[in-house]
Amino acid sequence: GQQVMQIPQYQHVQEGEDFTTYCNSSTTLSNIQWYKQRPGGHPVFLIQLVKSGEVKKQKRLTFQFGEAKKNSSLHITATQTTDVGTYFCAGPGAGNNRKLIWGLGTSLAVNP
Amino acid sequence: DGGITQSPKYLFRKEGQNVTLSCEQNLNHDAMYWYRQDPGQGLRLIYYSQIVNDFQKGDIAEGYSVSREKKESFPLTVTSAQKNPTAFYLCASSSLSANYGYTFGSGTRLTVV
Repeated sequence: GQQVMQIPQYQHVQEGEDFTTYCNSSTTLSNIQWYKQRPGGHPVFLIQLVKSGEVKKQKRLTFQFGEAKKNSSLHITATQTTDVGTYFCAGPGAGNNRKLIWGLGTSLAVNP
Repeated sequence: DGGITQSPKYLFRKEGQNVTLSCEQNLNHDAMYWYRQDPGQGLRLIYYSQIVNDFQKGDIAEGYSVSREKKESFPLTVTSAQKNPTAFYLCASSSLSANYGYTFGSGTRLTVV
């Protein structure tokens, strides 16, 4: 069945270092969404990418959608302790564009 | 302020008892979803509903039941048939017309002893 894979599963960085998480889909996606879940919290929607090759920035966060619309990445420049959490990507399921297929997430730990 | 409310935040139940988790939204969203999250794991879909009085099974529906009698409400019942009910349960909603992400509630942490 349709799958969305994320790597790495965990990442531990020193504050100030950069961080990247990658998301790969087994099928072409109409869009890809990114969410952040703080420890003990709930997922919060960050952004949606729709166009092939799209790049969007939110302050220190840069999101990319691949040309083939099967992969995506989230890059954080100069991490801060407030970036700690799990980052999930998700894409619409085939035939039902409101039911999302989720990656397992990348958990980011930041050493101050 | 619009949002999605889950209650209670923490719930303890004895094994063999059914328990109902509440989820209410005032965002006028058409679709609502229930997910289960276990430690260190991703989100697994239990049930979803895109319209009142209609709902579909997700990937792990066994041992759970839902209803959607009102647009604002999507309660989840964890029945005694669910073998491993202790988990973090998340409710979410989304608009079917607007191309935007899900809004999640703050979750209910269920412990069955």
